[in-house]
Amino acid sequence: GAGVSQSPSNKVTEKGKDVELRCDPISGHTALYWYRQSLGQGLEFLIYFQGNSAPDKSGLPSDRFSAERTGGSVSTLTIQRTQQEDSAVYLCASSRGGGPLRDQYFGPGTRLTVT
Amino acid sequence: QQQVKQSPQSLIVQKGGISIINCAYENTAFDYFPWYQQFPGKGPALLIAIRPDVSEKKEGRFTISFNKSAKQFSLHIMDSQPGDSATYFCAAVPSGNTGKLIFGQGTTLQVKP
Repeated sequence: GAGVSQSPSNKVTEKGKDVELRCDPISGHTALYWYRQSLGQGLEFLIYFQGNSAPDKSGLPSDRFSAERTGGSVSTLTIQRTQQEDSAVYLCASSRGGGPLRDQYFGPGTRLTVT
Repeated sequence: QQQVKQSPQSLIVQKGGISIINCAYENTAFDYFPWYQQFPGKGPALLIAIRPDVSEKKEGRFTISFNKSAKQFSLHIMDSQPGDSATYFCAAVPSGNTGKLIFGQGTTLQVKP
């Protein structure tokens, strides 16, 4: 079946602009995660959605970052007033349910470059 | 702060050899330990995973060894192949409801033909 898809695959933006990154999880997966991958910080958790529960936003680096998940499926990660340190690959993952024993499947990522 | 430390940072192995990547964690409240393989330009792909009540798990050429008392776990790739050349990440999942992954720093493996 189809895997996790993300769009765009690449995004170049000017410092100070807002960007939106999209994630389509695997059909039937109720849990959705956003991670960021950068040279300096490695792979780091950003936010987690599970069903109708309140999201776990504990990994968001600043209030410029926000995410939503509509209809329990598609998710959008928004970065406002982008900074050069936001340049990274943003990865989305989904799993059949939340919790520690559920395998997560990653999308190909969106490479964000802030100039 | 929950941390997972991974070594070595890079590894070169001859074809047919054994690749060994080690990870150690500093918090006992982890419930799951997956390993991910990542090729350039791709997202991480789940390779193999182990629960802390198991000391070893083998899937094909890939084996995880887990030492709960030492808070260490390792990935062994037997009969390493050039196609195994990739970056490998260990991860740990904290106890709780979210299942968020705490990653090691990654190991870049090169298997020479």
